[in-house]
Amino acid sequence: GAVVSQHPSRVICKSGTSVKIECRSLDFQATTMFWYRQFPKQSLMLMATSNEGSKATYEQGVEKDKFLINHASLTLSTLTVTSAHPEDSSFYICSADTGTSGRGDTQYFGPGTRLTVL
Amino acid sequence: GENVEQHPSTLSVQEGDSAVIKCTYSDSASNYFPWYKQELGKGPQLIIDIRSNVGEKKDQRIAVTLNKTAKHFSLHITETQPEDSAVYFCAAPYLWPMNYGGSQGNLIFGKGTKLSVKP
Repeated sequence: GAVVSQHPSRVICKSGTSVKIECRSLDFQATTMFWYRQFPKQSLMLMATSNEGSKATYEQGVEKDKFLINHASLTLSTLTVTSAHPEDSSFYICSADTGTSGRGDTQYFGPGTRLTVL
Repeated sequence: GENVEQHPSTLSVQEGDSAVIKCTYSDSASNYFPWYKQELGKGPQLIIDIRSNVGEKKDQRIAVTLNKTAKHFSLHITETQPEDSAVYFCAAPYLWPMNYGGSQGNLIFGKGTKLSVKP
């Protein structure tokens, strides 16, 4: 199946700093990538939809200035958590859509990034 | 929009028994239904999916059934093993129109089922 990687897998940072998380599709090109946030024992919460070469579409309640998304190529999307605070601590997961229809249904997920803000 | 409900939230079975997880969806236009398995500290892994032109799909010990009339689909795991213990998520697609005339979609996930297989 399609392989999606994320880096780093874990990151600990101080409050007020910024953290960048990379999501790469390793063996396919992804026009669309998605960023999710997951709290313990909860389902996946979609944060934003990222299309290559265009601005990301953010879900209601997600601050676009705080969670900066860049989808510069068909194999790489980045999420930058700016001025991180302890409440931003969470498990962040990206996924990539292997389809070309824009339906976003054929998603493969990365392994996730555990962010801890002290 | 799409609404996905998943039951049960927890399921405990004895090794070798079968496990069934059920999901319902609200959008009759939905035509793709994936199931994901998530182990602790890892990302979700696609384990099986079904499109609306078929009623059942099998892959070894895993099967998914779809009832489009009733708008529900189920995951069936037979001969369960301890390594099947994980959280399972169902999902259904949600599409919305874009300004340029195309459409964009994503998946709406159920709340998850924690499956425990006791040796």
